[in-house]
Amino acid sequence: DTGVSQDPRHKITKRGQNVTFRCDPISEHNRLYWYRQTLGQGPEFLTYFQNEAQLEKSRLLSDRFSAERPKGSFSTLEIQRTEQGDSAMYLCASSQTSYEQYFGPGTRLTVT
Amino acid sequence: RKEVEQDPGPFNVPEGATVAFNCTYSNSASQSFFWYRQDCRKEPKLLMSVYSSGNEDGRFTAQLNRASQYISLLIRDSKLSDSATYLCVVNLMNYGGSQGNLIFGKGTKLSVKP
Repeated sequence: DTGVSQDPRHKITKRGQNVTFRCDPISEHNRLYWYRQTLGQGPEFLTYFQNEAQLEKSRLLSDRFSAERPKGSFSTLEIQRTEQGDSAMYLCASSQTSYEQYFGPGTRLTVT
Repeated sequence: RKEVEQDPGPFNVPEGATVAFNCTYSNSASQSFFWYRQDCRKEPKLLMSVYSSGNEDGRFTAQLNRASQYISLLIRDSKLSDSATYLCVVNLMNYGGSQGNLIFGKGTKLSVKP
Protein backbone atom coordinates (compact mmCIF):
# COMPACT_ATOMS: atom_id res chain seq x y z
CA ASP A 1 0.00 0.00 0.00
CA THR A 2 1.58 3.26 -1.08
CA GLY A 3 -0.93 5.59 0.56
CA VAL A 4 -0.55 7.71 3.68
CA SER A 5 -0.38 5.56 6.79
CA GLN A 6 -0.96 6.51 10.41
CA ASP A 7 -0.24 4.73 13.62
CA PRO A 8 -1.94 3.92 15.90
CA ARG A 9 -5.42 3.87 14.43
CA HIS A 10 -7.02 4.16 17.83
CA LYS A 11 -5.71 5.45 21.13
CA ILE A 12 -7.47 5.58 24.48
CA THR A 13 -5.66 7.47 27.19
CA LYS A 14 -6.36 8.96 30.57
CA ARG A 15 -6.47 12.69 31.07
CA GLY A 16 -3.05 14.08 31.83
CA GLN A 17 -1.10 11.44 29.90
CA ASN A 18 1.10 12.18 26.90
CA VAL A 19 0.40 10.60 23.52
CA THR A 20 2.34 10.47 20.28
CA PHE A 21 1.02 9.70 16.81
CA ARG A 22 2.98 8.85 13.70
CA CYS A 23 2.30 9.63 10.05
CA ASP A 24 4.10 8.15 7.06
CA PRO A 25 3.34 10.17 3.93
CA ILE A 26 3.30 8.98 0.34
CA SER A 27 6.88 8.55 -0.82
CA GLU A 28 8.34 11.64 -2.45
CA HIS A 29 5.60 13.91 -1.15
CA ASN A 30 7.48 16.83 0.35
CA ARG A 31 4.48 18.41 2.07
CA LEU A 32 2.83 16.96 5.15
CA TYR A 33 -0.16 18.32 7.02
CA TRP A 34 -1.89 17.55 10.30
CA TYR A 35 -5.61 18.17 10.80
CA ARG A 36 -8.03 17.49 13.61
CA GLN A 37 -11.65 16.48 13.12
CA THR A 38 -14.35 16.30 15.76
CA LEU A 39 -17.81 14.82 15.33
CA GLY A 40 -20.02 16.79 12.99
CA GLN A 41 -17.23 19.11 11.91
CA GLY A 42 -14.93 19.25 8.94
CA PRO A 43 -11.20 18.74 9.45
CA GLU A 44 -9.37 21.74 10.95
CA PHE A 45 -5.81 22.55 10.00
CA LEU A 46 -3.19 22.18 12.74
CA THR A 47 0.22 22.41 11.14
CA TYR A 48 2.18 21.95 7.93
CA PHE A 49 5.68 20.84 6.93
CA GLN A 50 7.59 21.27 3.76
CA ASN A 51 10.34 18.69 3.96
CA GLU A 52 11.62 18.98 7.55
CA ALA A 53 10.63 22.61 8.02
CA GLN A 54 7.47 23.39 9.96
CA LEU A 55 6.15 26.35 8.01
CA GLU A 56 2.79 27.05 9.55
CA LYS A 57 0.95 26.40 12.79
CA SER A 58 -2.69 27.05 13.55
CA ARG A 59 -3.72 28.88 16.68
CA LEU A 60 -5.50 25.60 17.50
CA LEU A 61 -2.08 24.13 18.18
CA SER A 62 -1.61 25.01 21.84
CA ASP A 63 1.74 24.70 23.59
CA ARG A 64 0.75 21.18 24.65
CA PHE A 65 0.99 20.11 21.02
CA SER A 66 4.24 19.60 19.17
CA ALA A 67 4.92 18.17 15.74
CA GLU A 68 8.16 17.11 14.12
CA ARG A 69 9.35 15.82 10.80
CA PRO A 70 13.03 15.31 11.52
CA LYS A 71 14.22 13.82 8.24
CA GLY A 72 11.57 15.15 5.95
CA SER A 73 9.85 11.79 5.75
CA PHE A 74 7.58 10.58 8.57
CA SER A 75 6.12 12.97 11.12
CA THR A 76 5.06 12.72 14.74
CA LEU A 77 2.42 14.68 16.61
CA GLU A 78 2.70 14.70 20.39
CA ILE A 79 0.06 15.91 22.81
CA GLN A 80 1.21 16.49 26.36
CA ARG A 81 -1.06 16.48 29.41
CA THR A 82 -4.06 15.40 27.37
CA GLU A 83 -7.46 16.90 28.13
CA GLN A 84 -10.91 15.54 27.31
CA GLY A 85 -11.28 18.27 24.69
CA ASP A 86 -8.40 16.70 22.79
CA SER A 87 -10.60 13.73 21.89
CA ALA A 88 -10.86 13.79 18.11
CA MET A 89 -9.69 12.16 14.91
CA TYR A 90 -6.19 13.31 14.00
CA LEU A 91 -5.68 13.21 10.26
CA CYS A 92 -2.44 13.42 8.37
CA ALA A 93 -2.24 14.36 4.69
CA SER A 94 0.57 14.65 2.20
CA SER A 95 0.98 16.31 -1.16
CA GLN A 96 3.52 17.01 -3.82
CA THR A 97 1.73 20.12 -4.99
CA SER A 98 -0.18 22.84 -3.25
CA TYR A 99 -3.49 21.37 -4.19
CA GLU A 100 -4.15 17.68 -4.03
CA GLN A 101 -3.75 16.41 -0.52
CA TYR A 102 -4.09 12.71 0.18
CA PHE A 103 -5.31 11.82 3.62
CA GLY A 104 -4.37 8.93 5.85
CA PRO A 105 -6.95 6.85 7.75
CA GLY A 106 -6.49 8.94 10.89
CA THR A 107 -5.81 8.24 14.54
CA ARG A 108 -8.89 8.33 16.73
CA LEU A 109 -7.99 9.64 20.20
CA THR A 110 -10.26 9.18 23.18
CA VAL A 111 -9.28 10.90 26.41
CA THR A 112 -11.09 9.53 29.45
CA ARG B 1 -19.03 34.05 10.18
CA LYS B 2 -17.58 30.65 9.33
CA GLU B 3 -14.99 30.66 6.54
CA VAL B 4 -16.80 27.92 4.63
CA GLU B 5 -20.50 27.35 5.17
CA GLN B 6 -22.59 24.41 4.04
CA ASP B 7 -26.08 23.14 4.76
CA PRO B 8 -25.39 20.10 6.99
CA GLY B 9 -28.41 18.21 5.69
CA PRO B 10 -29.14 15.38 5.82
CA PHE B 11 -30.36 15.13 2.28
CA ASN B 12 -32.43 11.95 1.90
CA VAL B 13 -33.07 11.17 -1.75
CA PRO B 14 -34.25 8.13 -3.74
CA GLU B 15 -31.97 6.34 -6.16
CA GLY B 16 -31.89 8.08 -9.50
CA ALA B 17 -32.61 11.53 -8.09
CA THR B 18 -30.63 14.65 -8.85
CA VAL B 19 -29.33 16.45 -5.79
CA ALA B 20 -27.49 19.76 -5.44
CA PHE B 21 -25.27 21.00 -2.64
CA ASN B 22 -24.27 24.59 -2.10
CA CYS B 23 -21.44 26.20 -0.25
CA THR B 24 -20.33 29.77 0.43
CA TYR B 25 -16.90 31.00 1.46
CA SER B 26 -16.04 34.24 3.18
CA ASN B 27 -12.51 35.02 2.05
CA SER B 28 -12.45 36.60 -1.39
CA ALA B 29 -8.73 35.82 -1.61
CA SER B 30 -9.44 32.08 -1.79
CA GLN B 31 -7.62 30.66 -4.75
CA SER B 32 -8.64 27.06 -5.23
CA PHE B 33 -11.73 25.05 -4.49
CA PHE B 34 -12.62 21.40 -4.07
CA TRP B 35 -15.27 18.93 -3.11
CA TYR B 36 -14.13 16.08 -0.90
CA ARG B 37 -16.15 13.02 -0.01
CA GLN B 38 -16.00 11.41 3.41
CA ASP B 39 -17.56 8.08 4.26
CA CYS B 40 -18.52 7.35 7.85
CA ARG B 41 -15.41 6.95 10.04
CA LYS B 42 -13.12 7.19 7.02
CA GLU B 43 -10.69 9.81 5.79
CA PRO B 44 -11.73 12.54 3.34
CA LYS B 45 -11.00 11.81 -0.31
CA LEU B 46 -10.82 14.29 -3.14
CA LEU B 47 -13.93 14.07 -5.30
CA MET B 48 -13.14 16.87 -7.70
CA SER B 49 -11.54 20.25 -8.05
CA VAL B 50 -13.79 23.18 -8.94
CA TYR B 51 -12.86 25.55 -11.74
CA SER B 52 -14.29 28.93 -12.63
CA SER B 53 -15.55 27.63 -15.95
CA GLY B 54 -17.39 24.78 -14.24
CA ASN B 55 -16.39 21.18 -14.65
CA GLU B 56 -17.98 17.80 -14.95
CA ASP B 57 -16.86 14.31 -14.03
CA GLY B 58 -19.38 11.70 -15.01
CA ARG B 59 -22.51 12.24 -12.94
CA PHE B 60 -20.90 15.04 -10.93
CA THR B 61 -20.86 18.71 -11.94
CA ALA B 62 -19.15 21.46 -9.96
CA GLN B 63 -19.62 25.19 -10.39
CA LEU B 64 -17.82 28.19 -8.94
CA ASN B 65 -19.10 31.75 -8.80
CA ARG B 66 -16.26 33.96 -7.58
CA ALA B 67 -18.38 37.11 -7.55
CA SER B 68 -20.89 35.53 -5.18
CA GLN B 69 -18.26 33.39 -3.40
CA TYR B 70 -20.43 30.38 -4.02
CA ILE B 71 -19.61 26.78 -4.94
CA SER B 72 -22.03 24.05 -5.95
CA LEU B 73 -22.02 20.33 -6.58
CA LEU B 74 -24.68 18.57 -8.62
CA ILE B 75 -25.06 14.80 -8.54
CA ARG B 76 -27.21 13.27 -11.24
CA ASP B 77 -28.75 9.78 -11.20
CA SER B 78 -27.86 9.20 -7.54
CA LYS B 79 -26.57 5.77 -6.56
CA LEU B 80 -26.71 4.06 -3.18
CA SER B 81 -22.92 4.29 -3.15
CA ASP B 82 -23.10 8.09 -3.27
CA SER B 83 -24.26 8.08 0.37
CA ALA B 84 -21.57 9.98 2.24
CA THR B 85 -20.72 13.41 3.61
CA TYR B 86 -19.62 15.95 1.02
CA LEU B 87 -17.12 18.52 2.21
CA CYS B 88 -16.69 21.89 0.53
CA VAL B 89 -13.05 22.97 0.71
CA VAL B 90 -11.13 26.13 -0.15
CA ASN B 91 -7.43 26.80 -0.27
CA LEU B 92 -5.98 30.15 0.73
CA MET B 93 -2.77 30.68 -1.17
CA ASN B 94 -0.53 32.63 1.15
CA TYR B 95 2.05 34.09 -1.12
CA GLY B 96 4.07 35.47 1.76
CA GLY B 97 4.44 32.17 3.50
CA SER B 98 3.45 28.59 3.18
CA GLN B 99 0.81 27.36 0.85
CA GLY B 100 -1.79 24.77 0.93
CA ASN B 101 -3.64 24.30 4.18
CA LEU B 102 -7.20 23.43 3.31
CA ILE B 103 -10.22 25.05 4.92
CA PHE B 104 -13.15 22.66 5.21
CA GLY B 105 -16.84 23.24 5.64
CA LYS B 106 -18.72 21.06 8.11
CA GLY B 107 -19.99 18.87 5.31
CA THR B 108 -23.38 17.96 3.89
CA LYS B 109 -24.66 14.48 4.59
CA LEU B 110 -26.29 12.63 1.71
CA SER B 111 -28.30 9.47 2.12
CA VAL B 112 -29.51 7.75 -1.05
CA LYS B 113 -32.33 5.29 -0.45
CA PRO B 114 -33.47 2.39 -2.65
